[in-house]
Amino acid sequence: DGGITQSPKYLFRKEGQNVTLSCEQNLNHDAMYWYRQDPGQGLRLIYYSQIVNDFQKGDIAEGYSVSREKKESFPLTVTSAQKNPTAFYLCASSPRQMLYGYTFGSGTRLTVV
Amino acid sequence: QQQVKQSPQSLIVQKGGISIINCAYENTAFDYFPWYQQFPGKGPALLIAIRPDVSEKKEGRFTISFNKSAKQFSLHIMDSQPGDSATYFCAASSDRGSTLGRLYFGRGTQLTVWP
Repeated sequence: DGGITQSPKYLFRKEGQNVTLSCEQNLNHDAMYWYRQDPGQGLRLIYYSQIVNDFQKGDIAEGYSVSREKKESFPLTVTSAQKNPTAFYLCASSPRQMLYGYTFGSGTRLTVV
Repeated sequence: QQQVKQSPQSLIVQKGGISIINCAYENTAFDYFPWYQQFPGKGPALLIAIRPDVSEKKEGRFTISFNKSAKQFSLHIMDSQPGDSATYFCAASSDRGSTLGRLYFGRGTQLTVWP
């Protein structure tokens, strides 16, 4: 069954620690995206990648880093430089041409204490 | 600058009523307009989408109306049901240029349907 898997579903970290969120897709999609969702703020784009070994900053990239070494995987690292990291993080993927929209994962809720 | 503006932020509708959510955009290069539905604790799921060569698209109780000259599009949910209670996002993208494939989302509308 094709889809996007985000893990873990819930993540707790101490302030000052880096944390990596996993995103894996088996849809053979070229493009992958990371969004942050906060109440009343909608979906804000952190990073996106349209092809392996290439990625671009989105609107709120500060304090985050990504890698795209494999087509199936697009992990997001929330660094200690991110001032307000507690949020719901969503990963998505899409074919190169926007014919069928994005497929989203189920999200990771990160809480930093 | 927000590329897609969505209203209202929240909407309460009685069961059986019509829910209407509106979106507006500025970039005339946009040529794909999807709507996503999100339940609490889940990722958004594609509900329905339209391209600017048609003015309306209907799938079951969900209809997108598109006004190219006004650069507006809206989602109508007919016979709204409590199970439709969710957050709805409109979005837009272009198949051309450096932002190929990137979706720009509205801020979302939280719909509550009372039984």
